[in-house]
Amino acid sequence: GAVVSQHPSWVICKSGTSVKIECRSLDFQATTMFWYRQFPKQSLMLMATSNEGSKATYEQGVEKDKFLINHASLTLSTLTVTSAHPEDSSFYICSAPSGSGNPYEQYFGPGTRLTVT
Amino acid sequence: AQRVTQPEKLLSVFKGAPVELKCNYSYSGSPELFWYVQYSRQRLQLLLRHISRESIKGFTADLNKGETSFHLKKPFAQEEDSAMYYCALSGRNQGGKLIFGQGTELSVKP
Repeated sequence: GAVVSQHPSWVICKSGTSVKIECRSLDFQATTMFWYRQFPKQSLMLMATSNEGSKATYEQGVEKDKFLINHASLTLSTLTVTSAHPEDSSFYICSAPSGSGNPYEQYFGPGTRLTVT
Repeated sequence: AQRVTQPEKLLSVFKGAPVELKCNYSYSGSPELFWYVQYSRQRLQLLLRHISRESIKGFTADLNKGETSFHLKKPFAQEEDSAMYYCALSGRNQGGKLIFGQGTELSVKP
């Protein structure tokens, strides 16, 4: 089946620094990828839709200047958390439609645990 | 507004007992409804889609448009069913964007 990977799986950074998280579709191409944020034992909150070759679409309340998304190729989307603060500490998950033509058939990455100290 | 509500944070049952995880939604239109499961230390994976009307691992879910519900059921729970379960909604022409419920942790005791 289709596989989505994320790198790194966890990262610790100091307050004020920036962190980049990668999301890759390993055996299929994805013109669209989705970025979610998950707090412990809570729901996944959709942050933005990453679009290959164009700007990302952000959900209401998500700061686009803080969470920079770049969909550089058909297999890679990156999320950069700029000037990170402790409240940005969370679990970030990406997903991508499988490429079967059915947008509802999505595959999720394993997530990236970000801790800002 | 689009919303998915899972009223139970934790559901604890004994092995062999029936289980029902509740999900209610709010959506103006015809949504696609899903159940996703996340086993311990594993990634989220699709369990069921309402449109396929299939049974996966003994679980079924029926979309009730009148009650705007999509409850997940299994007649005899197994220990390996212990996991986090998320109900999710997507609208047509939304390119696969998913709105998730809060999640229900199912604990099946031996």
